[in-house]
Amino acid sequence: SQKIEQNSEALNIQEGKTATLTCNYTNYSPAYLQWYRQDPGRGPVFLLLIRENEKEKRKERLKVTFDTTLKQSLFHITASQPADSATYLCALDDGRSGTYKYIFGTGTRLKVLA
Amino acid sequence: DTGVSQDPRHKITKRGQNVTFRCDPISEHNRLYWYRQTLGQGPEFLTYFQNEAQLEKSRLLSDRFSAERPKGSFSTLEIQRTEQGDSAMYLCASSSNTGQGVYEQFFGPGTRLTVL
Repeated sequence: SQKIEQNSEALNIQEGKTATLTCNYTNYSPAYLQWYRQDPGRGPVFLLLIRENEKEKRKERLKVTFDTTLKQSLFHITASQPADSATYLCALDDGRSGTYKYIFGTGTRLKVLA
Repeated sequence: DTGVSQDPRHKITKRGQNVTFRCDPISEHNRLYWYRQTLGQGPEFLTYFQNEAQLEKSRLLSDRFSAERPKGSFSTLEIQRTEQGDSAMYLCASSSNTGQGVYEQFFGPGTRLTVL
């Protein structure tokens, strides 16, 4: 069956450390993968998109990797801050040509401790 | 244009009643999506439109759910004969297709539905 898995348990890290979140998928062949941030009671906010032919993408303190062989994406936040505390969602397309349907993971709750 | 807006933000209804939600996307965006999200889960795809055409519906979307996007602008999502299991956050998102590839989705604040 098709599924997207993210760390189901909350991730607690100390301020200043690097947070690493994982997104694993099964039985999908996505052309791209996206990461979103969601705060309680709000809609998700787009952070980064990485395509299947890209290994790594960076934006300020954020870095995303995409390994289509391992079927995994890693999301890193360097020099983490308490303001980075939120739920982080990965989303991918289902790989079918001409479709723009996105499938989201369950999200990982990150808490950065001061 | 400040982003995607949804109305109402909260809706409490009794089981068996019909409810309708509205979404106003970013004006130049031609794609519009509806998702449902329950506590501790990611957004679950319901349906999406390109302009006024509804291109795909989730198999999870029962015949009690219907969505429209007349004239390719705002969209409505109607749930008929609501059930307690329909209680969730209903999210709308829009994105643009410039022909250069895939673009991110911009989400609205959501409509929180509670069915008593």
